[in-house]
Amino acid sequence: GDSVTQMEGPVTLSEEACLTINCTYTATGYPSLFWYVQYPGEGLQLLLKATKADDKGSNKGFEATYRKETTSFHLEKGSVQVSDSAVYFCALIQGAQKLVFGQGTRLTINP
Amino acid sequence: GAVVSQHPSRVICKSGTSVKIECRSLDFQATTMFWYRQFPKQSLMLMATSNEGSKATYEQGVEKDKFLINHASLTLSTLTVTSAHPEDSSFYICSAGLAGGIPGDEQFFGPGTRLTVL
Repeated sequence: GDSVTQMEGPVTLSEEACLTINCTYTATGYPSLFWYVQYPGEGLQLLLKATKADDKGSNKGFEATYRKETTSFHLEKGSVQVSDSAVYFCALIQGAQKLVFGQGTRLTINP
Repeated sequence: GAVVSQHPSRVICKSGTSVKIECRSLDFQATTMFWYRQFPKQSLMLMATSNEGSKATYEQGVEKDKFLINHASLTLSTLTVTSAHPEDSSFYICSAGLAGGIPGDEQFFGPGTRLTVL
């Protein structure tokens, strides 16, 4: 079945550092890809998405590009802030409209 | 934006008792609600999909008699864990989808409920 694999966390960075959280997927067709973010005490929020190959999703300074050839959707940000501390989930959806999530990556940004 | 609440946020119960978790869409009507379960350091696993006024559709391996789902109105879905046991201890998360929404980006998530069964 479809699956999503994220890099192991936790990830700890200093403010203004560059961030990459790796995400790769396995799917039989052409899924839509998502990054969700969960801030402490809150529900998951959609951060960005891409629906076809080579699409780039972006929001709040974060970017991810749908790479069909490497089946990847890595999350990047050039300069992180303390407020970016959260758990990030990569996910895909296909066909039956069911979200398939990665295991989540906890990110902590120190001032 | 659309807000989904869950109640309670945490619950501790004795083995053998039943626990009800509520999921509410506060400012929109949700024809479809989803229930997920998350184990520590693992991804969210979809348990069931419920549509207002009809029976829930359970994922393979999820006991429908143990995890009772009711979606009686467009703003409320409930998950009841019946005869809970320690292995049911987990983080339960609901999400709500808008009618006619695009799959994925039209799901709004609740903050989750931490269930601990002693």
